[in-house]
Amino acid sequence: GVTQSPTHLIKTRGQQVTLRCSSQSGHNTVSWYQQALGQGPQFIFQYYREEENGRGNFPPRFSGLQFPNDSSELNVNALELDDSALYLCASSPTAGGQDTQYFGPGTRLTVL
Amino acid sequence: GENVEQHPSTLSVQEGDSAVIKCTYSDSASNYFPWYKQELGKRPQLIIDIRSNVGEKKDQRIAVTLNKTAKHFSLHITETQPEDSAVYFCAATDKLIFGTGTRLQVFP
Repeated sequence: GVTQSPTHLIKTRGQQVTLRCSSQSGHNTVSWYQQALGQGPQFIFQYYREEENGRGNFPPRFSGLQFPNDSSELNVNALELDDSALYLCASSPTAGGQDTQYFGPGTRLTVL
Repeated sequence: GENVEQHPSTLSVQEGDSAVIKCTYSDSASNYFPWYKQELGKRPQLIIDIRSNVGEKKDQRIAVTLNKTAKHFSLHITETQPEDSAVYFCAATDKLIFGTGTRLQVFP
């Protein structure tokens, strides 16, 4: 299945953070979501075969990478208090939004 | 921009009753409509999905209906059980947009 690390993370405002995701075997697409408490997942961006394949309404300080070995990263620079949330990655066998998203357990980020 | 509205935000039912959650979407290009269940502290899990060439789909106690003309789709859970208690999210995923969620509580 989809795995994420770390499980929890505490950072201070202005710092940078890297979150990691390992996709389900055979999936070439990974999407990242931010889920604030009590809200639905908000789409950050999607990567397909190591290229960005769509982006939501998030500033450029949110960036990502996808590697050939089905792993990916979400990087957030200049952390703000509002970045505190659960970050979910999801892999799928096809690009776009036409197929099942398999979610990881998430990384809980707290910004102080 | 595109959005997905979901109602109600909370729903309380007695065990054995039915529950209905409704979503409307704005992007007419959407062709795939999944429903996810998220239990407290856990990841969202797909429970049922429907594509735009189908009007209804059933899987045991769960069904989803789609009205493409009106741009709305609904989740129906029959014979609810306490373990159905969770937050449910709809999505219209051409732009990977999720609804705001419905907290379902099933009382024994």
